[in-house]
Amino acid sequence: GNSVTQMEGPVTLSEEAFLTINCTYTATGYPSLFWYVQYPGEGLQLLLKATKADDKGSNKGFEATYRKETTSFHLEKGSVQVSDSAVYFCALSVNTDKLIFGTGTRLQVFP
Amino acid sequence: DTAVSQTPKYLVTQMGNDKSIKCEQNLGHDTMYWYKQDSKKFLKIMFSYNNKELIINETVPNRFSPKSPDKAHLNLHINSLELGDSAVYFCASSAQQGRTEAFFGQGTRLTVV
Repeated sequence: GNSVTQMEGPVTLSEEAFLTINCTYTATGYPSLFWYVQYPGEGLQLLLKATKADDKGSNKGFEATYRKETTSFHLEKGSVQVSDSAVYFCALSVNTDKLIFGTGTRLQVFP
Repeated sequence: DTAVSQTPKYLVTQMGNDKSIKCEQNLGHDTMYWYKQDSKKFLKIMFSYNNKELIINETVPNRFSPKSPDKAHLNLHINSLELGDSAVYFCASSAQQGRTEAFFGQGTRLTVV
């Protein structure tokens, strides 16, 4: 079946550090891939997406590249801020099916 | 204007009660969803409606009954609440099921005591 695996958190970083949150997927067919972010007490917001192999999604300094050969969609940011502290969810959908989420990775950034 | 709004934001109730959560979206989307987020932040889809028609029902107990009076509204009614129903419930909508961005409400934190 279709599934998403994310690295376990929490990820704890100092401000301005480099961030990587790993995400790999298993899918039948050709999925679209997403990163959502959930700030404390809020709902999820789309951070970025990629709909085909080799696409790079980017937003607010975050990037992720759709790698079909490694079935991965790792999230990166060159210099994190305290305001980036949140839970990050990798997700996929295949054709017109539902969104399937990973377990989420909590990021904590300290000044 | 809030794109996807849910009410109430918090709901505390006793076991055995019946409760409803309401959701409305003003984005003109055709598809709406209910997701459940457990205490470990794991998100799982419960239901999906497309133009008032049930598309996805992910083996949710019969005590949960979604209702979509029109494509802008998707309410969730829960009968005979149990302790294990305690979670955060998120409503979401998207223009096209699966492929396009889903917009989420702020969530309803349900606590069953």
